[in-house]
Amino acid sequence: QVQLVQSGAEVKKPGASVKVSCKASGYTFSTYGISWVRQAPGQGLEWMGWISAYNGDRKYAQMFQGRVTMTTDTSTSTAYMELRSLRSDDTAFYFCAKDQVELPERLDYWGQGTLVTVSS
Amino acid sequence: DIQMTQSPSSLSASVGDRVTITCRASQSISSYLNWYQHRPGKAPKLLIYAASSLQSGVPPRFSGSGSGTDFTLTISSLQPEDFATYYCQQSYSTSPTFGLGTKVEIK
Repeated sequence: QVQLVQSGAEVKKPGASVKVSCKASGYTFSTYGISWVRQAPGQGLEWMGWISAYNGDRKYAQMFQGRVTMTTDTSTSTAYMELRSLRSDDTAFYFCAKDQVELPERLDYWGQGTLVTVSS
Repeated sequence: DIQMTQSPSSLSASVGDRVTITCRASQSISSYLNWYQHRPGKAPKLLIYAASSLQSGVPPRFSGSGSGTDFTLTISSLQPEDFATYYCQQSYSTSPTFGLGTKVEIK
């Protein structure tokens, strides 16, 4: 069965970077994409970006441009999301989700979420 | 970015009730509309994609309709496990956006 298992919770200081991993299993990783979505405390879902695991094409939400990098490692079926210059309002649960290969379209399986806390 | 407006923002309903949630896009998105269920402490779950297609494994009491700018998610007979927050998401643009959510609570 399809599973996406994310790395554990992180606590970071303002200005630092965080890198969250998402290991996929149960499907052919390189024939799909991965999107990243976050949810701040008490807020709704916010799409951050998408990467094709086939050819590395990326789309980032404008508000994260220049601060986020998404990558994949097809040898380990793992996706990564790095967010830099962290601020307190980046405190949130970060989710990876299986998406389509050519463009972000629909998120049919999700990871369990990774809590990133940004605090001095 | 395309803005997605959901209504209501919350509702109270009883088990067995028929529940309808609406989602309006700021421009036409054809049928590029998905619905997700999010229960506290769980990962979100895809219910409906392409406005009206039921995701595999999702009970048929969930249905979606609409095209263009106006969409609806209907739960025909609310079950205890359906109390959650529901989000619409447009995937018409290459920068998908979610609605702010509709919280379905127990009356």
